[in-house]
Amino acid sequence: AQKITQTQPGMFVQEKEAVTLDCTYDTSDQSYGLFWYKQPSSGEMIFLIYQGSYDEQNATEGRYSLNFQKARKSANLVISASQLGDSAMYFCAMREGPGGSQGNLIFGKGTKLSVKP
Amino acid sequence: GAGVSQTPSNKVTEKGKYVELRCDPISGHTALYWYRQSLGQGPEFLIYFQGTGAADDSGLPNDRFFAVRPEGSVSTLKIQRTERGDSAVYLCASSFSASKETQYFGPGTRLLVL
Repeated sequence: AQKITQTQPGMFVQEKEAVTLDCTYDTSDQSYGLFWYKQPSSGEMIFLIYQGSYDEQNATEGRYSLNFQKARKSANLVISASQLGDSAMYFCAMREGPGGSQGNLIFGKGTKLSVKP
Repeated sequence: GAGVSQTPSNKVTEKGKYVELRCDPISGHTALYWYRQSLGQGPEFLIYFQGTGAADDSGLPNDRFFAVRPEGSVSTLKIQRTERGDSAVYLCASSFSASKETQYFGPGTRLLVL
């Protein structure tokens, strides 16, 4: 079974609008970490935001926020006020183990976001 | 400061040849990770180092793949007897430590095996 599921292969959003990218995860660990990365066409993976499983508040970083629903095992990324430069692949990832100590990240297949002018 | 660097940025080789891919992590980062990303997929874990030792190599697909980090800084991923299926982007990441810390990625090496 997939550990990270991103059900939206592609998404379109109008410039200046908000968009939500979906991510569900599967783990039996009580302690884990969730990450979102952006990968532009240049190929580099850019860290966006992190949510720990014990964090009570949803993480926010500038225009990025993570809608964390632990009981539903979902960690959706919300991008507010989309910009043309937001067009890229977005990957959800998880690190398992106490405090996320397992080391490696497990990635989903990604969502391609296209921002329309 | 400087980010993670990887060389070469592109490598074309013939089936059966040996290749080495290099990763230079962010200074001071003790944990280093290798991932492989095939077209249209997310990165898949290969191996990670904490210091000089391989803490987890469970993602290496077979014994043709090997990685070293002799001085706890630069790492080299080595692929013997390359096969066409090895063609992918090989990504390196580093973090301050292996637990909880965010991993920062390099630009990747695009390997093409003909």
